[in-house]
Amino acid sequence: GENVGLHLPTLSVQEGDNSIINCAYSNSASDYFIWYKQESGKGPQFIIDIRSNMDKRQGQRVTVLLNKTVKHLSLQIAATQPGDSAVYFCAEKPPRFGSARQLTFGSGTQLTVLP
Amino acid sequence: DAGITQSPRHKVTETGTPVTLRCHQTENHRYMYWYRQDPGHGLRLIHYSYGVKDTDKGEVSDGYSVSRSKTEDFLLTLESATSSQTSVYFCAISIAVGASETQYFGPGTRLLVL
Repeated sequence: GENVGLHLPTLSVQEGDNSIINCAYSNSASDYFIWYKQESGKGPQFIIDIRSNMDKRQGQRVTVLLNKTVKHLSLQIAATQPGDSAVYFCAEKPPRFGSARQLTFGSGTQLTVLP
Repeated sequence: DAGITQSPRHKVTETGTPVTLRCHQTENHRYMYWYRQDPGHGLRLIHYSYGVKDTDKGEVSDGYSVSRSKTEDFLLTLESATSSQTSVYFCAISIAVGASETQYFGPGTRLLVL
């Protein structure tokens, strides 16, 4: 996941602009990645996922890009809206789960949409 | 929300008291997880379950125990709550679609230990 610090990275964008949120993942052998959105006071919500055999995947207003060379994942949100304000974090799945089938989570980025 | 509910949603308790949090799912998922979320940290796994009466420890299991006597319920117990266990606790289930494995989360329980 991301390099964890005491404070979340923040990103402020104007309503209607595109947003790009980045994540550096830790395991070069991870084969599956997920982006989550977490609004204040709520549980993480699945947004989009991508497998390691892909470098791009598009959803509704969101696109995930995967660069395995530099272990980097990005989430692009088109035409950002006030309802997009939230913390966004990535998760990675190592190739061999073991019995836990555990994901590794980044600490996230706080996205604020300005009017 | 994958049919996940957590109870209570908020709790205030005193140091040294036992606390039990409940996670309930309605879709018969085999894998269930308990995480805690604290400022500056990503979600950290406390315990997980891979079936009825089958549980194991995660990375931050000290001071916590779990039980799963029914598929639909996964209980997290703080044997003797400490202030360091003040946190937001999330339950999750895992859904596999082919080789993709996605976790879906409940709404969380905010716990304050005084």
